[in-house]
Amino acid sequence: DQQVKQNSPSLSVQEGRISILNCDYTNSMFDYFLWYKKYPAEGPTFLISISSIKDKNEDGRFTVFLNKSAKHLSLHIVPSQPGDSAVYFCAASARGYGNKLVFGAGTILRVKS
Amino acid sequence: EPEVTQTPSHQVTQMGQEVILRCVPISNHLYFYWYRQILGQKVEFLVSFYNNEISEKSEIFDDQFSVERPDGSNFTLKIRSTKLEDSAMYFCASRPTVEGSETQYFGPGTRLLVL
Repeated sequence: DQQVKQNSPSLSVQEGRISILNCDYTNSMFDYFLWYKKYPAEGPTFLISISSIKDKNEDGRFTVFLNKSAKHLSLHIVPSQPGDSAVYFCAASARGYGNKLVFGAGTILRVKS
Repeated sequence: EPEVTQTPSHQVTQMGQEVILRCVPISNHLYFYWYRQILGQKVEFLVSFYNNEISEKSEIFDDQFSVERPDGSNFTLKIRSTKLEDSAMYFCASRPTVEGSETQYFGPGTRLLVL
């Protein structure tokens, strides 16, 4: 099941610079997209979400962009901080599918100071 | 800030034994979910629960699994006869009932090890 794909297993960024994490999906029924941050042995922590009726949502240092025609979304973190180092999961849901979340494989972000 | 809580944090059991994983969702949330993550794999959906009944379940959620809301606060996942391949992190999540709010909030997880 590859409905949600995060093709970059890891990303390394210098503190203060922009981090861009990417996610692609294949199911056109998805209408809600979320980003979660996860530390080892902890649960996913919600970061930011976007509905399919929007193309951008911003919350502080985090911005999510959605390109529906390309079935692509991205998370921008500006400026990146060492505390942002974690695994970032993209997830998608669809009202027609009971709102269950379908997760990507995750991207490990390392922010170097 | 309200949180989803889960107990126990770790559980070690022998193959064939029954386990019950417990969750306390955020109060006033009425949609509940269980997910699991096998080491090195994706987080995967198991089951969703609303209005005291299962609303959807995955292929993984076979007859060995069951969920229950025994009282007004707890939400449990029972595995009747554990297998080695049930070893995973199990996450509970809950969602607000407000229309348009699709965000699910996750608990810290229970690490289940089946020997």
